[in-house]
Amino acid sequence: DAKTTQPNSMESNEEEPVHLPCNHSTISGTDYIHWYRQLPSQGPEYVIHGLTSNVNNRMASLAIAEDRKSSTLILHRATLRDAAVYYCILKGKPGKLIFGQGTTLQVKP
Amino acid sequence: NAGVTQTPKFQVLKTGQSMTLQCAQDMNHEYMSWYRQDPGMGLRLIHYSVGAGITDQGEVPNGYNVSRSTTEDFPLRLLSAAPSQTSVYFCASNIDRGGFTEAFFGQGTRLTVV
Repeated sequence: DAKTTQPNSMESNEEEPVHLPCNHSTISGTDYIHWYRQLPSQGPEYVIHGLTSNVNNRMASLAIAEDRKSSTLILHRATLRDAAVYYCILKGKPGKLIFGQGTTLQVKP
Repeated sequence: NAGVTQTPKFQVLKTGQSMTLQCAQDMNHEYMSWYRQDPGMGLRLIHYSVGAGITDQGEVPNGYNVSRSTTEDFPLRLLSAAPSQTSVYFCASNIDRGGFTEAFFGQGTRLTVV
């Protein structure tokens, strides 16, 4: 399974944009990039995914580098409820998700 | 729909005891997984299943057994609990859509082994 590298922690101010980076230099051509987040005392939840093109949904945007060796999850206006651990994942076998350490996002009021 | 249901929510075991953590999903998903999460750490995959009757090992399978006799249920068995198995256990149900996986997680079981 291809590995990802994320910063351990990041801080943001409320209502400001947040850019969470992820490096995945060993990504293969068919690997989808997934982002999940885990709110305190909860199980992870799906945020967004992409293959080659940038993606937007109601929760976030995903910007994927042209060479696909890195990606950035963008929260356009961070709220206190966005404080969580964010995981960048490349899926291996079908149905198999391997989580790394993730990035702990702290949002300051 | 209930989604993914885990029972119990909390459990204390003595070293050497056995128990089964239950996981049920009502979304008819083919794939199911078990993870453990130690304090301050990310999730580690214990076992996963790609369908009824088919299971495979994840990153940390030792000390745990699984079986999948139905699509809905995926129990995790601890044969002889050890303090190192103190953790929060999450069950997930996954749907695979041509390379993209969306996973739905239960609320977790907090297990303490004394």
